[in-house]
Amino acid sequence: ETGVTQSPTHLIKTRGQQVTLRCSSQSGHNTVSWYQQALGQGPQFIFQYYREEENGRGNFPPRFSGLQFPNYSSELNVNALELDDSALYLCASSLWGADIEQYFGPGTRLTVT
Amino acid sequence: EDQVTQSPEALRLQEGESSSLNCSYTVSGLRGLFWYRQDPGKGPEFLFTLYSAGEEKEKERLKATLTKKESFLHITAPKPEDSATYLCAVMSHASGGSYIPTFGRGTSLIVHP
Repeated sequence: ETGVTQSPTHLIKTRGQQVTLRCSSQSGHNTVSWYQQALGQGPQFIFQYYREEENGRGNFPPRFSGLQFPNYSSELNVNALELDDSALYLCASSLWGADIEQYFGPGTRLTVT
Repeated sequence: EDQVTQSPEALRLQEGESSSLNCSYTVSGLRGLFWYRQDPGKGPEFLFTLYSAGEEKEKERLKATLTKKESFLHITAPKPEDSATYLCAVMSHASGGSYIPTFGRGTSLIVHP
């Protein structure tokens, strides 16, 4: 059984640029959630994808967008990067349902300069 | 708005010194409370899900309990390898049938040999 993988591991971007982060779900999981974790903080929910549609969103602006593909892998896109976007971006996969535990990937460390 | 507060922010223990971590929450319609462990530079690792007041779950030296307002993670005779940040999260219903997770900021635990 393959766990959740994310790419790239680290990324450095300049303010105003756009970035795409990728996530492969754990085998058999149909739901993907994305989180932003600033240093010393808990993960903040960005959004969740189920059946290739966004299904639930946290307090993040529209410049944060995503996709889920038929194989359940997912992308997080962030446009017009700001310095405050520097954080660890975590992807978590699960089966659909509120009481189902999520399995997290190792994250992508994004630095915006 | 759902809120999760974890205390203490940091905890230092000697090996074998038992203690408890606290997670207090305010949520409209709790669907589940989760505990995760996060090692530095890694994604959170699932530990427990609790659904209703009075429920308890155990795993090795860890025991999680739940009341209507808070959850405790009890660590019995901890070892240095238990050093990590412990995160608490609640899951509640959002509009459209989706679920929104809210994480606390975590408790950083260091166990000295």
